[in-house]
Amino acid sequence: DGGITQSPKYLFRKEGQNVTLSCEQNLNHDAMYWYRQDPGQGLRLIYYSQIVNDFQKGDIAEGYSVSREKKESFPLTVTSAQKNPTAFYLCATVAGGLGGDTQYFGPGTRLTVL
Amino acid sequence: DAKTTQPNSMESNEEEPVHLPCNHSTISGTDYIHWYRQLPSQGPEYVIHGLTSNVNNRMASLAIAEDRKSSTLILHRATLRDAAVYYCILHGGTSYGKLTFGQGTILTVHP
Repeated sequence: DGGITQSPKYLFRKEGQNVTLSCEQNLNHDAMYWYRQDPGQGLRLIYYSQIVNDFQKGDIAEGYSVSREKKESFPLTVTSAQKNPTAFYLCATVAGGLGGDTQYFGPGTRLTVL
Repeated sequence: DAKTTQPNSMESNEEEPVHLPCNHSTISGTDYIHWYRQLPSQGPEYVIHGLTSNVNNRMASLAIAEDRKSSTLILHRATLRDAAVYYCILHGGTSYGKLTFGQGTILTVHP
């Protein structure tokens, strides 16, 4: 099956610990994105990557870091500098960059910091 | 990115049509109108998109006003599985896939 895999589905961490969220895709899409969603809110863009070894900050990048060493993978690290990391994190891909291209989303990871 | 305005919530009965409105008065000529929906605790799912002409697919229809300042997502026969948050999003040609999500419309479908 082609698609986007995010693991784990639920993640619990202690305050002050860094944590890495996984996102893998086999759609052969160039661009990948990380969004954060808080309860009752829309999605906000954290980071995005258009090609391997390149990525840009989104609207709320502070306290997060990413890497794009392979086309298939775009892991997100939530660092201890992120003041309120508890949220639902969504990874997405798009084949190209044009306005008519559809974005595909993974199932999400719900992170809870205790 | 241009903004969109949607009602916070709407209700429908099962097997009735649903018309979900979206206003986007500052839309630019290159902006596509996209609709996504999100079920609880899931990632958003693509529904439909269009530029100028009305569009139909197996999930829904998209009616775009002639001046493109508003659009309507039409679910022809609502089912309980259509209960979700529906997002209307403008996606410009230069934004390289970045989508700006508002709060969307919560659709409740009654049996």
